[in-house]
Amino acid sequence: KAGVTQTPRYLIKTRGQQVTLSCSPISGHRSVSWYQQTPGQGLQFLFEYFSETQRNKGNFPGRFSGRQFSNSRSEMNVSTLELGDSALYLCASSLGPGNGQETQYFGPGTRLLVL
Amino acid sequence: AQTVTQSQPEMSVQEAETVTLSCTYDTSENNYYLFWYKQPPSRQMILVIRQEAYKQQNATENRFSVNFQKAAKSFSLKISDSQLGDTAMYFCAFMKRNAGNMLTFGGGTRLMVKP
Repeated sequence: KAGVTQTPRYLIKTRGQQVTLSCSPISGHRSVSWYQQTPGQGLQFLFEYFSETQRNKGNFPGRFSGRQFSNSRSEMNVSTLELGDSALYLCASSLGPGNGQETQYFGPGTRLLVL
Repeated sequence: AQTVTQSQPEMSVQEAETVTLSCTYDTSENNYYLFWYKQPPSRQMILVIRQEAYKQQNATENRFSVNFQKAAKSFSLKISDSQLGDTAMYFCAFMKRNAGNMLTFGGGTRLMVKP
């Protein structure tokens, strides 16, 4: 089975621009979660989607948003980019909620640099 | 809210020896999972081992085993017969069961395996 894929792998943007990152989960996985990894703040949860609905949201400003499609693929969007948004963005997928299906498997990440 | 603490920012071990990484967590929940993830220089986050809080038996996966002390809220990872490929950042993570797929991570321990 193919693993979680994320596109693009690397991205350079300037302040004020917006960016969209994409994540394709493992086949059969219906839950997708997003995390931001920075040297200063470590790994922080952004949001989780299951069956096209956002189930959980971390403590990030409204500039960070996401969505999930009917095929479980997910996108996250960051508007009005700031320098502090430079990070590795990780996507993780799992089968779904409950009954031991919550174990998350991660993609390779998208490295975003904001200049 | 849950917190996860990894008190050892860096560790090193000789190849073929055993090393133990520490993790403590704070939660008022009774039903949860604990995980260890490995992040090598490629930045790909890899699941090492999973422990369900209701299980008293410590999880093992080949050379990796955990010492789960629920009352003490401690979850250490033991790596036996260390290999050069074990060099990586190791993250301890907590997730409430049946409450959404949201991982709370510790700050990580950088492990160097020396030849």
